[in-house]
Amino acid sequence: AQKVTQAQTEISVVEKEDVTLDCVYETRDTTYYLFWYKQPPSGELVFLIRRNSFDEQNEISGRYSWNFQKSTSSFNFTITASQVVDSAVYFCALSDPQGGSEKLVFGKGTKLTVNP
Amino acid sequence: DVKVTQSSRYLVKRTGEKVFLECVQDMDHENMFWYRQDPGLGLRLIYFSYDVKMKEKGDIPEGYSVSREKKERFSLILESASTNQTSMYLCASSMDRTSTDTQYFGPGTRLTVL
Repeated sequence: AQKVTQAQTEISVVEKEDVTLDCVYETRDTTYYLFWYKQPPSGELVFLIRRNSFDEQNEISGRYSWNFQKSTSSFNFTITASQVVDSAVYFCALSDPQGGSEKLVFGKGTKLTVNP
Repeated sequence: DVKVTQSSRYLVKRTGEKVFLECVQDMDHENMFWYRQDPGLGLRLIYFSYDVKMKEKGDIPEGYSVSREKKERFSLILESASTNQTSMYLCASSMDRTSTDTQYFGPGTRLTVL
């Protein structure tokens, strides 16, 4: 069965610190997709990134970067020079396109608080 | 931009009432989903639909039903609301079944059942 583990329940940092959110996944499939979503206090899940299992290149988007390592089944998310607006719950998710459905398996989320 | 809207942000109902949660997407997506989100449990899939009048059970379908009469609209129905259905409900849509496309979410409906 597929599983996503976000071991960090809550993280608190001071503005301008770098912070890494961990995501470890389990799947027996060779083809799969990984996602990160942000959920600010307003409640809506905002899509951040989608990565397929064949693309292990790290991705950078402004202050955000993602480190995908198949060898350790991890897809970690780093925010550089954090800002108060980064405060949110962040979810990592895994999908299985070979399963014939479009389901996502979510981790339980990491609540990030960035203090001024 | 993809736009997924939900009929209410906050809803208060009484035990035993029939409750309808509506979700509309404007991007001609084939797939639509209903999740519930609870503290400590994350997001759990209730039902999803990959076409009009088609539906499939997710991980926790008990106590819920769905309706998809039009492609853009996906309704979640609580036939007889109970207090353990107090939760945040999130609707999502994605493009089609041929590939694992990104799911886009609505703003959520926070339902309280008294």
